[in-house]
Amino acid sequence: AQSVSQHNHHVILSEAASLELGCNYSYGGTVNLFWYVQYPGQHLQLLLKYFSGDPLVKGIKGFEAEFIKSKFSFNLRKPSVQWSDTAEYFCAVNAHAAGNKLTFGGGTRVLVKP
Amino acid sequence: DTGVSQDPRHKITKRGQNVTFRCDPISEHNRLYWYRQTLGQGPEFLTYFQNEAQLEKSRLLSDRFSAERPKGSFSTLEIQRTEQGDSAMYLCASMVAGANYGYTFGSGTRLTVV
Repeated sequence: AQSVSQHNHHVILSEAASLELGCNYSYGGTVNLFWYVQYPGQHLQLLLKYFSGDPLVKGIKGFEAEFIKSKFSFNLRKPSVQWSDTAEYFCAVNAHAAGNKLTFGGGTRVLVKP
Repeated sequence: DTGVSQDPRHKITKRGQNVTFRCDPISEHNRLYWYRQTLGQGPEFLTYFQNEAQLEKSRLLSDRFSAERPKGSFSTLEIQRTEQGDSAMYLCASMVAGANYGYTFGSGTRLTVV
């Protein structure tokens, strides 16, 4: 069975700072990878996804993530955060044989101070 | 609203009572998923349907839990004899099987068992 680890539970940073959230997964086969975001009081929204091809994927709101297969990682980055990026971020993995079932990491709460 | 709808948004129930939640997916989505999210954790897979067929159930889904999708459209999740440990956010998501994108999540039903 696959598992997902997000290294940071809480991140606090100031506006314009750069953000990088770590995500590692354990599964030996082919996977699809996702980052979801949950803004305060809102539902989970897809930020970006990797299925195949270019391992550097760009998502909404200036976010990007890089899939490094050899490291089983899919880290999320944003060069300059805004106060509106305050949210909880979840990394998720879907093994190709798993019927689109997602395994989520525990989430990282990001607080951006104005 | 053409998103995934969940009802009710909040439910407070006494221990031992039965509760039922409803999910209305996006109309053309044939796959429907239920997840549970407890405080400080990422969502955990419970079960999923393709049309009216329930294709997989997690071991988290004890005998007290049952889910249905009788006509391949809306789904219900019932918890019998609720326990305090059932307190969580219950999330529904939908997608088209085989589509190259992530789920669309609903806003969830927050269950509090007192």
